[in-house]
Amino acid sequence: GIQVEQSPPDLILQEGANSTLRCNFSDSVNNLQWFHQNPWGQLINLFYIPSGTKQNGRLSATTVATERYSLLYISSSQTTDSGVYFCAVASSNTGKLIFGQGTTLQVKP
Amino acid sequence: DGGITQSPKYLFRKEGQNVTLSCEQNLNHDAMYWYRQDPGQGLRLIYYSQIVNDFQKGDIAEGYSVSREKKESFPLTVTSAQKNPTAFYLCASSTGTLNSNQPQHFGDGTRLSIL
Repeated sequence: GIQVEQSPPDLILQEGANSTLRCNFSDSVNNLQWFHQNPWGQLINLFYIPSGTKQNGRLSATTVATERYSLLYISSSQTTDSGVYFCAVASSNTGKLIFGQGTTLQVKP
Repeated sequence: DGGITQSPKYLFRKEGQNVTLSCEQNLNHDAMYWYRQDPGQGLRLIYYSQIVNDFQKGDIAEGYSVSREKKESFPLTVTSAQKNPTAFYLCASSTGTLNSNQPQHFGDGTRLSIL
């Protein structure tokens, strides 16, 4: 099945810093989502981005489907950005979402 | 407000007991899903349903059962056959069927622990 790798596994930032999270996947996909899981376990949709670029406030994401990767950019990080960021993809074969292992982000004040 | 409601937030199971986790959505979504998350891990698919009265096994269905009698409800039963049920369980839904390329939206989850 499709493999999803996220990097880095852990990231510590000072408040105000910028960061880039990466998601590599092993096959062509027709669904790619970025999620933020907060310390209470809530999984928040950030982007639905099987291709192209989107921006939402301080967050933006780019997926280059032909090269099988996606990037999540966080600018001017805040302590509330802390948590785990998941990338999940689905291939056209199965349609099932496959999750990466996540990037754990800690933003220090 | 439209959304996905999971209950209870915390659940404790005794050895040999079946427990049922509730998931209700008022988004008029056709497809619903159950995932399991273990500490430090990503989510894994347990079961999914694309229409009422139909559901399919996901990647880790053993020890679980589901039903889909109503469009808005997709309860998950953790049976006594599931030997390691302690985990965080998340329910999701999406418009259209599995291959319709629609984003999935998640409830707030249920934490299940063994007494």
